[in-house]
Amino acid sequence: DTGVSQNPRHKITKRGQNVTFRCDPISEHNRLYWYRQTLGQGPEFLTYFQNEAQLEKSRLLSDRFSAERPKGSFSTLEIQRTEQGDSAMYLCASSFVGGYNEQFFGPGTRLTVL
Amino acid sequence: AQSVTQLGSHVSVSEGALVLLRCNYSSSVPPYLFWYVQYPNQGLQLLLKYTSAATLVKGINGFEAEFKKSETSFHLTKPSAHMSDAAEYFCAVSDQANRDDKIIFGKGTRLHILP
Repeated sequence: DTGVSQNPRHKITKRGQNVTFRCDPISEHNRLYWYRQTLGQGPEFLTYFQNEAQLEKSRLLSDRFSAERPKGSFSTLEIQRTEQGDSAMYLCASSFVGGYNEQFFGPGTRLTVL
Repeated sequence: AQSVTQLGSHVSVSEGALVLLRCNYSSSVPPYLFWYVQYPNQGLQLLLKYTSAATLVKGINGFEAEFKKSETSFHLTKPSAHMSDAAEYFCAVSDQANRDDKIIFGKGTRLHILP
């Protein structure tokens, strides 16, 4: 069990640039979640997938954000035309459907928008 | 809608003293409840979870929590604090009826351990 991995761990970008993050879940997990965490706050839900289907998106996920999980394995989160307010830790989690919603989190990608 | 409220954004205890981190939840349906710990620049690690099997839940690293429906509380305790317990702790809730749904987190409590 290698756990949930996320790449890159850190990303510094200039306002207006596009960025893409990757999440590799635990291999047998069919649910994958994205959360955003800003300084001094708890994680906030963004979106989740069951296999390749995106089942729910938060209102926090503006049209500049898009997430995919094309083959039901890894997922990508893209932010277009980044803004300073997008600076946050982006966390990915995965779980196995039918359990007690025990979500395993990755180490996160810290985004800094200058 | 579900929510959790963590009382106290910072808690300081002496090494060896009792740790008590407070969490109250709001849910119109039977909840799953969780405590997660986050060390600096790391992701979240599950400490323990309440799934309605037992009201007193034991977790890792000597932590435990008790589900009290009458008080809508799920406080986290540890009898004797260690320096390594210094971290941020998050209480969280999700919906039992809609398993595998998103988790709603509290704002967190930073635990400081005094030597």
